[in-house]
Amino acid sequence: NAGVTQTPKFRVLKTGQSMTLLCAQDMNHEYMYWYRQDPGMGLRLIHYSVGEGTTAKGEVPDGYNVSRLKKQNFLLGLESAAPSQTSVYFCASSYDRLFAYEQYFGPGTRLTVT
Amino acid sequence: DAKTTQPPSMDCAEGRAANLPCNHSTISGNEYVYWYRQIHSQGPQYIIHGLKNNETNEMASLIITEDRKSSTLILPHATLRDTAVYYCIVLPGGYQKVTFGIGTKLQVIP
Repeated sequence: NAGVTQTPKFRVLKTGQSMTLLCAQDMNHEYMYWYRQDPGMGLRLIHYSVGEGTTAKGEVPDGYNVSRLKKQNFLLGLESAAPSQTSVYFCASSYDRLFAYEQYFGPGTRLTVT
Repeated sequence: DAKTTQPPSMDCAEGRAANLPCNHSTISGNEYVYWYRQIHSQGPQYIIHGLKNNETNEMASLIITEDRKSSTLILPHATLRDTAVYYCIVLPGGYQKVTFGIGTKLQVIP
């Protein structure tokens, strides 16, 4: 099992450009999450999904959109990137509601917006 | 959600037990204590969780005080690979939104 994978690992964007971060998991997990991590801020939840076709807002959803068209994939989109979105983005998944505490994380995507 | 307080940093000698404290004085009866760690540049890793009884697994032990207002994560024989930031989180069971604070940066010293 590959676990949770993220594509790409690194990306540099210019202000106003758009991009999509892909998260994939092969553990048949129902729940998937997107976090961002900034220095001194810990991890903050952007959006999450409790099943295929469903999404919900987390703590810091503004400027991001997500989609969960397939159970194994969770996409994070930036429509018009801003320097404030420079961060490390982590995707995670968990089996279901009862096991939502046991989240498996991907390796992260380091995004720089200039 | 109950808030947690952790020391920002700790050192531990390699081979010794690392005891990481967490204060959660406002914890509710249905809230669990969870511990994660994040090794540099990697995604966080779930370690252990408990409600009121002490718990042990292959990675660590969790000691929760009788009044549940504080807990201690114990790494029995710390190695250099245990150098990481350790997060103590308190949440109701089945709650899907896990909030990670600043955590404790544990440095294992040779």
